[in-house]
Amino acid sequence: QVQVVQSGAEVQKPGASVKVSCKASGYSFITYYIHWVRQAPGQGLEWMGMFNPSGGNTVYAPKFQGRVTMTGDTSTSTVYMELSSLRSEDTAVYFCSRDLWDSSGCLGFWGQGTLVTVSS
Amino acid sequence: DIQMTQSPSSLSASVGDRVTITCRASQGISNHLAWFQQKPGKAPKSLIYAASSLQSGVPSKFSGSGSGTDFTLTISSLQPEDFGTYFCQQYKSYPPTFGQGTKLEIK
Repeated sequence: QVQVVQSGAEVQKPGASVKVSCKASGYSFITYYIHWVRQAPGQGLEWMGMFNPSGGNTVYAPKFQGRVTMTGDTSTSTVYMELSSLRSEDTAVYFCSRDLWDSSGCLGFWGQGTLVTVSS
Repeated sequence: DIQMTQSPSSLSASVGDRVTITCRASQGISNHLAWFQQKPGKAPKSLIYAASSLQSGVPSKFSGSGSGTDFTLTISSLQPEDFGTYFCQQYKSYPPTFGQGTKLEIK
């Protein structure tokens, strides 16, 4: 069955970077986009960007352009999301999610989430 | 960006009730709409896609309707396990955007 499993919680200082991983299994890795969505405490869902494992192209939300980098490793079926220049407002749970069907943008399968805490 | 507006932002209902949540898009999105349920500390769970198609394994008490700009999620015969926050998401165009959520409490 389709699974996406994320790396564990992180605590980082302001100004640092964080890299979260998302390991996929149970399907053809290169067929479906992986999206990253974050949720600040008590808030809604915010789309950050997407990674296409077939070719490695990305689309980032303008808000995160210049601070976010999404990459992938086809040998391990893993996608990474790195966010730099962290500030307290970046404290949130970060989710990766696979498209329900190829290149749809309809988020179907979700990782368990990774809590990133930014604190001095 | 397409703005998604949900209403109500919260509601309280009793076991056995039928509840309806609405989602309005700032421009037409055809049927490119999904619904999710999220429980505290958990990832969102996909309920409905293409406005009215039930995700595999989701009980038939959940149903979706609508097209264009106005959509509804209906939960018939509410049960205690249905509490949580419900989000809509449009995928007509990038960036994908979400409604702000509707928190459903069971009386």
